[in-house]
Amino acid sequence: KNEVEQSPQNLTAQEGEFITINCSYSVGISALHWLQQHPGGGIVSLFMLSSGKKKHGRLIATINIQEKHSSLHITASHPRDSAVYICAVRGATNKLIFGTGTLLAVQP
Amino acid sequence: EPEVTQTPSHQVTQMGQEVILRCVPISNHLYFYWYRQILGQKVEFLVSFYNNEISEKSEIFDDQFSVERPDGSNFTLKIRSTKLEDSAMYFCASSRPGWGYTFGSGTRLTVV
Repeated sequence: KNEVEQSPQNLTAQEGEFITINCSYSVGISALHWLQQHPGGGIVSLFMLSSGKKKHGRLIATINIQEKHSSLHITASHPRDSAVYICAVRGATNKLIFGTGTLLAVQP
Repeated sequence: EPEVTQTPSHQVTQMGQEVILRCVPISNHLYFYWYRQILGQKVEFLVSFYNNEISEKSEIFDDQFSVERPDGSNFTLKIRSTKLEDSAMYFCASSRPGWGYTFGSGTRLTVV
């Protein structure tokens, strides 16, 4: 069983829709990261969370430590949001354990 | 904004050859990492480096792999005798306590 599970694996949305991507983990963590990977392959860090909620522009990330669950929300989605969104957790050491990612396609 | 720089962006090598992947982490970061992503799979941890020594390594990071920080700025990953299954995207990253990671743009290694 994967230590970090994401759902859905694939998501197609219409421009303007509200999007939610979920992440569940089974290990103790010091922080949870949401990352974005574009087709060229580069990885960009979106959020690092250890509790509560963070917002940056149209992106919102929440975490519930007791339930070992995090969500990434995109409001007013746009085709340029199309990418793979990856949840990764950081444990007692500094290494990240990655989920398999959610492939998001936002259609105009 | 500070960046992690990786070179080369693409490398093709013959099976059995040695390759060195290079990275310049962010200057005030203290932790350095190599990750890899085989095509179509999730990103996997290889090794972390702190205070001029390996702090953690995965089962993937066997005797064929080594890391160095030779001059205080560069951080290299060496694969001594490449195998076909080493073909992957290799990401360097750096971090400092309490802050998130910064990833490089990756080196796509193809072993033929």
